[in-house]
Amino acid sequence: SQQGEEDPQALSIQEGENATMNCSYKTSINNLQWYRQNSGRGLVHLILIRSNEREKHSGRLRVTLDTSKKSSSLLITASRAADTASYFCATDGSGPDTDKLIFGTGTRLQVFP
Amino acid sequence: SAVISQKPSRDICQRGTSLTIQCQVDSQVTMMFWYRQQPGQSLTLIATANQGSEATYESGFVIDKFPISRPNLTFSTLTVSNMSPEDSSIYLCSVRHDRIGTQYFGPGTRLTVL
Repeated sequence: SQQGEEDPQALSIQEGENATMNCSYKTSINNLQWYRQNSGRGLVHLILIRSNEREKHSGRLRVTLDTSKKSSSLLITASRAADTASYFCATDGSGPDTDKLIFGTGTRLQVFP
Repeated sequence: SAVISQKPSRDICQRGTSLTIQCQVDSQVTMMFWYRQQPGQSLTLIATANQGSEATYESGFVIDKFPISRPNLTFSTLTVSNMSPEDSSIYLCSVRHDRIGTQYFGPGTRLTVL
């Protein structure tokens, strides 16, 4: 399977704590994207990081990318109950399939008030 | 960014029937994609819908089961044919922001087949 993997599968933390999710993928990429999904609804795009970037920030989100290890991490700082959701990484395909996204298995984050 | 709407948002259907899901985008896009998310699972690409040509299906998905139309650059439909309970999933359309590569997703259609 070309699907990426994320860990942990599930994460429970208290409000105010930081949450870190990791994503590993299998092939070379152009971009890696992170998405949030609340309770089986549509996906919300969080951030895109290019293969030549190592770190990117957006508000309370920090994404890192290590292409040598084929891995990425998403850090949510000072988490809130509203951050409770599933988080997915997605990489573009390789070769002629660069427009297709390959999704990771996802991390279910629960933030307790 | 792109604003994407889908209809219906959810439906409950009987085995053996078909459902057509509509996807509307607020801007013209070259490539649209249809994904399936089975309960508790991640997303799997069904097909890529290009305007003016037949859709390209991924391994495990066939046109007879999931016919797709793409009549213009802002609209696409996915039909789930001859449904069985195994087709119960969330179906999502997405579009690629051609210049940057970001993909945006619609709100999804939650399908339950009895």
